[in-house]
Amino acid sequence: GIQVEQSPPDLILQEGANSTLRCNFSDSVNNLQWFHQNPWGQLINLFYIPSGTKQNGRLSATTVATERYSLLYISSSQTTDSGVYFCAVRTQGGSEKLVFGKGTKLTVNP
Amino acid sequence: NAGVTQTPKFQVLKTGQSMTLQCAQDMNHEYMSWYRQDPGMGLRLIHYSVGAGITDQGEVPNGYNVSRSTTEDFPLRLLSAAPSQTSVYFCASRSTVSGNQPQHFGDGTRLSIL
Repeated sequence: GIQVEQSPPDLILQEGANSTLRCNFSDSVNNLQWFHQNPWGQLINLFYIPSGTKQNGRLSATTVATERYSLLYISSSQTTDSGVYFCAVRTQGGSEKLVFGKGTKLTVNP
Repeated sequence: NAGVTQTPKFQVLKTGQSMTLQCAQDMNHEYMSWYRQDPGMGLRLIHYSVGAGITDQGEVPNGYNVSRSTTEDFPLRLLSAAPSQTSVYFCASRSTVSGNQPQHFGDGTRLSIL
C-alpha cells in the first residue's frame, strides 16, 4: 500500500519563527489533506490540497503531485500552533481509506 | 452547523463489556468512516460506509461491528471489549458531490478498557 512519510518528526520553535513541514508519499493520490491535532485531541482541517498551492492566513500549503510531496508552511508561529500536524492521502482508484503519516509534533515556545 | 458529532467523548469499560460509539453527521454526506488513533501514530481505518445499507472493512476491523441504516448515523459497536481496544476513536464523513471532497472529522471518543 501507499506509504506516507512526514518530516521532521519533532520541531521546536520560538514564537515568531517560520517553519516548513514535509509530506512524501509513494503513489499517485487524488486526495491530500493537512490536519492540526490540537492539545485537546481535536483534528482540525487545515487544507484539502491534492495539487497546487493554497493559503489561509499564516499557513500555506503546496502539493507537487508529479513529484509526490506536499509542504506545509507556518509563518510567524504562535504558541497556539503547537500540536501534531498530520498529512493524509487517498490513492487514485483506491478505497475510501485515508492513509495518515505519523505526524510532526510542533512545540512553539513563548 | 454541527458537522460530525460523536458521543460519548469519554468512556471507561471493563474487559468483556459491550458498547456502541455513536456518530452522526448533518451534512448529507454519503461516505462515513471510523478510525482509531493509538499513541504516537496516525489514524487507521476500522470500517467505512459508502451509503445507507452498505458497509465494508478497513485496515483494522477485528473486534468491531458497524451498520448504516440511515445516511446520518454510523454507529461503531464493540461486542466484547479488550484492553487492546483502548484508543481514541474518530468518525469522519465526506461528500461525493462534485468529485473528490475532503473528509470532516468529529472530535473523537477517548475509550479506556480496564
